Amino acid sequence: GENVEQHPSTLSVQEGDSAVIKCTYSDSASNYFPWYKQELGKGPQLIIDIRSNVGEKKDQRIAVTLNKTAKHFSLHITETQPEDSAVYFCAASLMEYGNKLVFGAGTILRVKS
Amino acid sequence: DVKVTQSSRYLVKRTGEKVFLECVQDMDHENMFWYRQDPGLGLRLIYFSYDVKMKEKGDIPEGYSVSREKKERFSLILESASTNQTSMYLCASSWTGGTTFGSGTRLTVV
Repeated sequence: GENVEQHPSTLSVQEGDSAVIKCTYSDSASNYFPWYKQELGKGPQLIIDIRSNVGEKKDQRIAVTLNKTAKHFSLHITETQPEDSAVYFCAASLMEYGNKLVFGAGTILRVKS
Repeated sequence: DVKVTQSSRYLVKRTGEKVFLECVQDMDHENMFWYRQDPGLGLRLIYFSYDVKMKEKGDIPEGYSVSREKKERFSLILESASTNQTSMYLCASSWTGGTTFGSGTRLTVV
């Protein structure tokens, strides 16, 4: 089955700097890669996703890149702000199979002001 | 917006009790999921359902069962709660546009 590895487990950046979180997946059939942000006491919230027919996607300060050949994808946050501090999860799935997500272990992002 | 509602935010149960965790979604989604979240392990899939009365095991189904009698409701059942089932439980529903999670139920088994 699918296995997703996520690095780093913790990341501290200064406000205004960029943050990058990386994930690798094992199943070449996976075709959907979402990123979730989880704040304290809340459920994970979808922040951006990418499908395997796209190499990069941007939404304001957030971008995701996908390298299908290497089977890895990354989340990039630019101009970080204190409210970006949270736990971030990557995931992979095969959309045609009910979107059953396999998650990475998560990254705790701390933005220092 | 899709709303996924979990009936309890916090639960404390005794070892051996039968525990029901309830989840309701309001967007007529066919797919519903139960995940368990533990520090350092991410979210792991317990069970999922593609339709009413249909269920499939996820990666860690042992000690759990589920029920889906109506499309909007998906229940997770701990037949005999054990201390190693102390965890955060997250329900989700999905469509082609993505997966939405509830706020979670933090279950403590003492």
